[in-house]
Amino acid sequence: DTEVTQTPKHLVMGMTNKKSLKCEQHMGHRAMYWYKQKAKKPPELMFVYSYEKLSINESVPSRFSPECPNSSLLNLHLHALQPEDSALYLCASSQGVVSNQPQHFGDGTRLSIL
Amino acid sequence: QKEVEQDPGPLSVPEGAIVSLNCTYSNSAFQYFMWYRQYSRKGPELLMYTYSSGNKEDGRFTAQVDKSSKYISLFIRDSQPSDSATYLCAMIGQGGSEKLVFGKGTKLTVNP
Repeated sequence: DTEVTQTPKHLVMGMTNKKSLKCEQHMGHRAMYWYKQKAKKPPELMFVYSYEKLSINESVPSRFSPECPNSSLLNLHLHALQPEDSALYLCASSQGVVSNQPQHFGDGTRLSIL
Repeated sequence: QKEVEQDPGPLSVPEGAIVSLNCTYSNSAFQYFMWYRQYSRKGPELLMYTYSSGNKEDGRFTAQVDKSSKYISLFIRDSQPSDSATYLCAMIGQGGSEKLVFGKGTKLTVNP
């Protein structure tokens, strides 16, 4: 079991639905990340939060909206997604965004868009 | 030229074999090097984390970094069927807002 917990594990939604992915860590880490991973590809960075503030947004479409309510929680709000958004969405955390602190990943939410 | 090159395999070995996984990179600013293991339907799990050139050993796993050649390796001794997974190399530079850059991953199967 990982120390980064993601819910739900699986999500199927229609293109007009609104849903949220949740991520929680209790390691006292101050940086949290969202990645998207397609089959047989490495993870692609979407967003970085540092001390609960958005520090990197990799030009992700506005149908993905991140939120960091506190230092241990990270949400990803989804609205009007497209079939090509079907993927594994991974959350990660690290002690800070300084490079010498490794990132630890959750097991992801497998998202399917109908 | 991609920043990080990793042979995607697949790589199939018998149980007990020594496995060598490799990545090359082009960006000389990379200072920290990681190996992640990813089982099917799971997230990447941090296996090894090294800084600059040299070797690091943890049980059956040895990570090796050669910055002069821009080449990193992961060796798995006495490989087990439970080592069957995709192995991703990743690396990052020194700055505070650097992004982790991944290789494409190598799919390894260890046959009993």
